[in-house]
Amino acid sequence: DSGVTQTPKHLITATGQRVTLRCSPRSGDLSVYWYQQSLDQGLQFLIQYYNGEERAKGNILERFSAQQFPDLHSELNLSSLELGDSALYFCASSGLQGGTQYFGPGTRLLVL
Amino acid sequence: GENVEQHPSTLSVQEGDSAVIKCTYSDSASNYFPWYKQELGKGPQLIIDIRSNVGEKKDQRIAVTLNKTAKHFSLHITETQPEDSAVYFCAAIPSGGTSYGKLTFGQGTILTVHP
Repeated sequence: DSGVTQTPKHLITATGQRVTLRCSPRSGDLSVYWYQQSLDQGLQFLIQYYNGEERAKGNILERFSAQQFPDLHSELNLSSLELGDSALYFCASSGLQGGTQYFGPGTRLLVL
Repeated sequence: GENVEQHPSTLSVQEGDSAVIKCTYSDSASNYFPWYKQELGKGPQLIIDIRSNVGEKKDQRIAVTLNKTAKHFSLHITETQPEDSAVYFCAAIPSGGTSYGKLTFGQGTILTVHP
């Protein structure tokens, strides 16, 4: 158990819908990272927050957004969902920016 | 940006043999190289990492070597056991700039250890 929690574990929804994935970092960690894992793209970095501020952005679609709240938990919002958004979404946390990242168990999203 | 290449994509060994997975990276500014193990239905789990000021690091049956000049690093697992069967990912992080903290992953290696 890494100490990073993610909810929900599974999510099934329809195209065009919007979903929110939630992540709680390890106790004391200030940085939260979001990654997408799909068969064709592998593990891809989406976005990073540090103590509430966005610090780095990867190949994140404009339909996707994220935020980190004062209690340090983070939410990833995915809107106007397409079939191709079906993937595993992982959250990771680290104490320092650039520090060792510990991954949560992931949310499996299926868009029908 | 950083690009990480990982080989082989699949690796099959007999229990007790050694397994070696190799990665190359493109950004000379990268200075932190973690390895993750991912079992089916789970998130990536950190198994070992190395920083660019170190050439080799060992933890029981697992070791990682880094050659900064050649920009490659390798994972070595000795005395493999069936429970080592999983997907292994290498990754790299640059030391600064706008990509600081962003893990770039290799494509993954499916390791199967046959009893």
